[in-house]
Amino acid sequence: KQEVTQIPAALSVPEGENLVLNCSFTDSAIYNLQWFRQDPGKGLTSLLLIQSSQREQTSGRLNASLDKSSGRSTLYIAASQPGDSATYLCAVRGTTDSWGKFQFGAGTQVVVTP
Amino acid sequence: DAGVTQSPTHLIKTRGQQVTLRCSPISGHKSVSWYQQVLGQGPQFIFQYYEKEERGRGNFPDRFSARQFPNYSSELNVNALLLGDSALYLCASSLTQSTNEKLFFGSGTQLSVL
Repeated sequence: KQEVTQIPAALSVPEGENLVLNCSFTDSAIYNLQWFRQDPGKGLTSLLLIQSSQREQTSGRLNASLDKSSGRSTLYIAASQPGDSATYLCAVRGTTDSWGKFQFGAGTQVVVTP
Repeated sequence: DAGVTQSPTHLIKTRGQQVTLRCSPISGHKSVSWYQQVLGQGPQFIFQYYEKEERGRGNFPDRFSARQFPNYSSELNVNALLLGDSALYLCASSLTQSTNEKLFFGSGTQLSVL
């Protein structure tokens, strides 16, 4: 059974510092991994999708890496801003899971202080 | 173009009642998935529908059911509500049911069961 873990559960950094968010998963048989952002009481905003054959994806200040064999992904956010404060979740789509299912981690809550 | 829209945004019910939640996918998207998110946890997969057929089901009791209409909108029904059903219910859409696609989420319906 796939399990997705995000450590730490919460993180506070001063503005301008780079953010490093970790995601680990137990079963490397995945189609892809997606990173999301969630503001309090709101839905999820898709940030980056990495296919299992890819090593990384970049979008603006965001960069996500994937090491499928070790079951890890890292989301880097460069030069953090107070507007980056949110909960960041990773989700994996496993090849042996129910069709359409993404397995989510519990998220890392990020606070960027001015 | 509008994103994924969900209604209502908030709902209060009492134990034993029944509830229907609604979702309209992004225009052109044919796949709809439903997730339940309890406070402090990541979303849990409930169902995926594609072309009006159930294609995937998570580990939820039969009190939970859903359907997809010819216009690809969807409804999630929950019967005999329990206190533990209190959660944010999220709908997500994708273009097809391909394993390579991003999920796009709505803002959710916050259900409170008293």
